[in-house]
Formats: sequence, structure tokens, C-alpha cells
Amino acid sequence: GDSVTQMEGPVTLSEEAFLTINCTYTATGYPSLFWYVQYPGEGLQLLLKATKADDKGSNKGFEATYRKETTSFHLEKGSVQVSDSAVYFCALSYIGTGGFKTIFGAGTRLFVKA
Amino acid sequence: ETGVTQSPTHLIKTRGQQVTLRCSSQSGHNTVSWYQQALGQGPQFIFQYYREEENGRGNFPPRFSGLQFPNYSSELNVNALELDDSALYLCASSLAGENEKLFFGSGTQLSVL
Repeated sequence: GDSVTQMEGPVTLSEEAFLTINCTYTATGYPSLFWYVQYPGEGLQLLLKATKADDKGSNKGFEATYRKETTSFHLEKGSVQVSDSAVYFCALSYIGTGGFKTIFGAGTRLFVKA
Repeated sequence: ETGVTQSPTHLIKTRGQQVTLRCSSQSGHNTVSWYQQALGQGPQFIFQYYREEENGRGNFPPRFSGLQFPNYSSELNVNALELDDSALYLCASSLAGENEKLFFGSGTQLSVL
């Protein structure tokens, strides 16, 4: 079945370090891919998205590229800040024969130290 | 522009009871979806409603049911509550055709004793 697997956390980095959070997926259709972020005490919010192979989503210095050949959508940021501390969720969605489907990964908690 | 609002914020029920959770969509949004998020896990898709009809469903039993009203607000009903139903229940709204741009509420924390 369809699934999303992301690296387990927590990930702890120092400020200005490079961030990678790995995400791979399996899907029967041609999904759109997303990263959502949940800051402490807040609801989930869309961080970035990519809707087809080789698309790059970007927002707030974060980037992820839709790699169909490796079924991956890794999240990267060149220089993290303390304010990036949050839980990050990789997700996919598509419209199948049964209608809309979406699957989230388990989440990766990021701690950034000053 | 109002965001997605959910009520109540917290709820305690006992096993076997029934519960109704409510969601008001973001202004202008006509599609609503519901998710169950267990502690330390990602949200699991329950179902989506568009034009007052179910538009997609995840792997949840029939005792999880929903409604969408003409004003696009929505309810999630869970019958015969089980202990494993204890979780944060999230509602998200979107525009039809823009399912990837979900706007989430803060959720209802349900505890089943």
C-alpha cells in the first residue's frame, strides 16, 4: 500500500548548521508531495509542495525536490535558526479511484541550539 | 479572514459512548477533511467531504462518519468509542481542486477512558 517514511528524530543541530530530513514514499498513483511544519503550540501548516517529478518546492529557506527515480522528497535548509525548531511532516496526496487520499509520515522533531 | 476552528478543544468520554466533533472551515473553503493524530505520530486521513458528500476515505471503520453542511462546516461522529480512539482529531479545509493546500485547525483532544 501507499506509505511515507521519514527519518526518525529528534534531530539536534546548532544554529547555522545544514539540515537534511529524509523522506521516501511509495504510491500507486502520481502523488503530489508536501512538507508540513508544526511549531510548538501551533497547528500544522504547509511549508512547501511539489506536484510533479523534478519540481522543487521552496519556502522560508527550505527546499525539497521531487525525485521520482528514488521516490524521495528530502527536506533541506542551508542554515537553520533556533526558530526552525518544530516537528516536520512529509506527506503525499492524490486523487484515486476511491477519491482523495493523503498519507503523512510520522514526523521528525528538530531542535536547534543557539 | 477567519481560520479553521474546531470545538471542543478537549473532550473526555468513556468506552462505548458516541462523540461528535465540530469544524468550521476557513472562509471561502468548500472542502473539509478529518485526521486522527495519535501521540508522537503523523496525522492519519479519515475522510474528506466536498459538496456535502464523502469524497475520499482512509482506512477507518464505518463507526467513523461525517457530515458537511451547506455552509461548509463539518462534523465528525464516532460511535462505540474504543480506548484506541484516544487521539488529537484535526480538521483541515481547502478549496476544491487545491487539495494540496490544506489549512488545519488546532484540533480536538479526545480521551477515551
